[in-house]
Amino acid sequence: QVQLQQSGPRLVKPSQTLSFTCAISGDSVSSNSAAWNWIRQSPSRGLEWLGRTYYRSKWYTDYAESVKSRISINPDTSKNQFSLQLNSVTPEDTAIYFCARQPNDVLPGGDAFDIWGQGTMVTVSS
Amino acid sequence: DIVMTQTPLSSPVTLGQPASISCRSSQSLVHSDGDTDLSWLQQRPGQPPRLLIYKISNRFSGVPDRFSGSGAGTDFTLKISRVEAEDAGVYYCMQATQLPYTFGQGTKLEIK
Repeated sequence: QVQLQQSGPRLVKPSQTLSFTCAISGDSVSSNSAAWNWIRQSPSRGLEWLGRTYYRSKWYTDYAESVKSRISINPDTSKNQFSLQLNSVTPEDTAIYFCARQPNDVLPGGDAFDIWGQGTMVTVSS
Repeated sequence: DIVMTQTPLSSPVTLGQPASISCRSSQSLVHSDGDTDLSWLQQRPGQPPRLLIYKISNRFSGVPDRFSGSGAGTDFTLKISRVEAEDAGVYYCMQATQLPYTFGQGTKLEIK
């Protein structure tokens, strides 16, 4: 059974860096059959996809344009997890942050987000 | 970006009665490989979203068969044949045909 366990701070000051990790059990961050995504949810923006990382003989990342200049998503194969860093945060970055698995096209749940982390509410405030 | 528009935004439904939610995309969701990556998610209060339907009409593992999805191109529908109390929550459509992936605004299903 695949599970994603998120960890990270719940309060971050403006201009600082927000960092999360998503630990994977039951699957591998290096899998050729999945991509690993970050999504956030806020009352003002709804559900917003932030980016993803995946391995297909080499590592790839994709980011949403809205955060591209401030975001970094990285795999950690030694710990079987992936991380999110969002720099120069403002109160607009206050949201619940989720990680999620996206299985390959031909698998059950293909190209949808089939497994989600529990979510972490982050407040950006001084 | 592809804009996903759901209707209605709120839907009061009587227990045991059917429910239907519509989702329209601002452009076709047919991928170059012929697939359509439209999915439906359910979110209960305090929980992460849960995958119900993927590729328009495929029920995910463990999802009751009272849930069904249909549609093509830019117009899609989620139907619940007979609403149960546990179906209360917010439902989202999501497209994964084109980056950035985008979600509908959500439809709140209230059980009467």
